Amino acid sequence: ETGVTQSPTHLIKTRGQQVTLRCSSQSGHNTVSWYQQALGQGPQFIFQYYREEENGRGNFPPRFSGLQFPNYSSELNVNALELDDSALYLCASSQSGAGNNEQFFGPGTRLTVL
Amino acid sequence: SQQGEEDPQALSIQEGENATMNCSYKTSINNLQWYRQNSGRGLVHLILIRSNEREKHSGRLRVTLDTSKKSSSLLITASRAADTASYFCATDPSGYSTLTFGKGTMLLVSP
Repeated sequence: ETGVTQSPTHLIKTRGQQVTLRCSSQSGHNTVSWYQQALGQGPQFIFQYYREEENGRGNFPPRFSGLQFPNYSSELNVNALELDDSALYLCASSQSGAGNNEQFFGPGTRLTVL
Repeated sequence: SQQGEEDPQALSIQEGENATMNCSYKTSINNLQWYRQNSGRGLVHLILIRSNEREKHSGRLRVTLDTSKKSSSLLITASRAADTASYFCATDPSGYSTLTFGKGTMLLVSP
């Protein structure tokens, strides 16, 4: 167990809907990164938040957005869902400046878009 | 896009044998990390090797890095059935933990 929790575990939505996924960081971590993992693929970096500001973004459209709260928990929001958004969404927390760059991953939220 | 590419895609061995997985990447890196994933769940960090390091050990794991060839290898010695999982390499170009993962190697260790 890494101490990183995600909710919900599973989610089913229909095309065009909006979804919010949540992540609680490991205690003492100030950085959260989100990844999308399609079936049979490696995780792809969506974005990273550090002290409530977006700190880097991968090749994902603007309908993928996020928030980080003062307690360093985070949300991933996806608008106008598409079938290809079906994937495992992983969040990872880390302590920026710790020097070892190790990320601690949560168990993921499996999103199915019908 | 996937920066790292693991080889082989799948590996099946017997308990007690060694397992070697390779990773190639395309751009310069600050560090390279190996992760393990069981049954499509969360990833577990195994080991990090920095660009100025050539080899690192952790228990039964040995990682090498050749920056001139842009490649890394993960060796698991004396494998166990519990090592059955998918293994991913991930490159960190800047040191800010914005990782780029490969597609992974599926390892099956039979008793």
